Amino acid sequence: AQSVTQLGSHVSVSEGALVLLRCNYSSSVPPYLFWYVQYPNQGLQLLLKYTSAATLVKGINGFEAEFKKSETSFHLTKPSAHMSDAAEYFCAVSPYNTDKLIFGTGTRLQVFP
Amino acid sequence: DADVTQTPRNRITKTGKRIMLECSQTKGHDRMYWYRQDPGLGLRLIYYSFDVKDINKGEISDGYSVSRQAQAKFSLSLESAIPNQTALYFCATSDDRTFYGYTFGSGTRLTVV
Repeated sequence: AQSVTQLGSHVSVSEGALVLLRCNYSSSVPPYLFWYVQYPNQGLQLLLKYTSAATLVKGINGFEAEFKKSETSFHLTKPSAHMSDAAEYFCAVSPYNTDKLIFGTGTRLQVFP
Repeated sequence: DADVTQTPRNRITKTGKRIMLECSQTKGHDRMYWYRQDPGLGLRLIYYSFDVKDINKGEISDGYSVSRQAQAKFSLSLESAIPNQTALYFCATSDDRTFYGYTFGSGTRLTVV
């Protein structure tokens, strides 16, 4: 079965530091991959998506992710954290030809001044 | 108005009561989904519908039922609520022509006491 693993349920960084949120997927064929962000008391908002085009995907708010087939990874990065980035981040995979999303367990990002 | 609207936003109900969560969308999407979110577990699929006549169980459908009243409306029912159904529930939609992920509603926080 397809799955996605997010390493680290909590990540803390200082404002201005690099943000790295890890996501690995299991899939026999390259799936579609997504990162969503959830701010407190809100729904999920799409940050970026990989749909078999460019392997480096740029999203909103300065985030980007790189699809690495050899490592089955899709890690999310941002060069410089901002206080407003504090939220929960979910990686999700859509197995080939299913049009459904399977979510990871989420990573809560804290940003300290 | 939001693209995907969920009502109510918050609800407290008693064990054994029947409750319905409603979702409506203005995206014109055929595909609709219900997920529940629990801390540490991410989002898990309850039911999904690819059109008005096509309804499918997700990974955790026991204790839930759904109704697709129209293309724009997809309701989730708990026939006899129990405390472990306390969770945050999300409705989502997707385009049937090209799958680029979901548009989420703002969620319904349900507490069963």
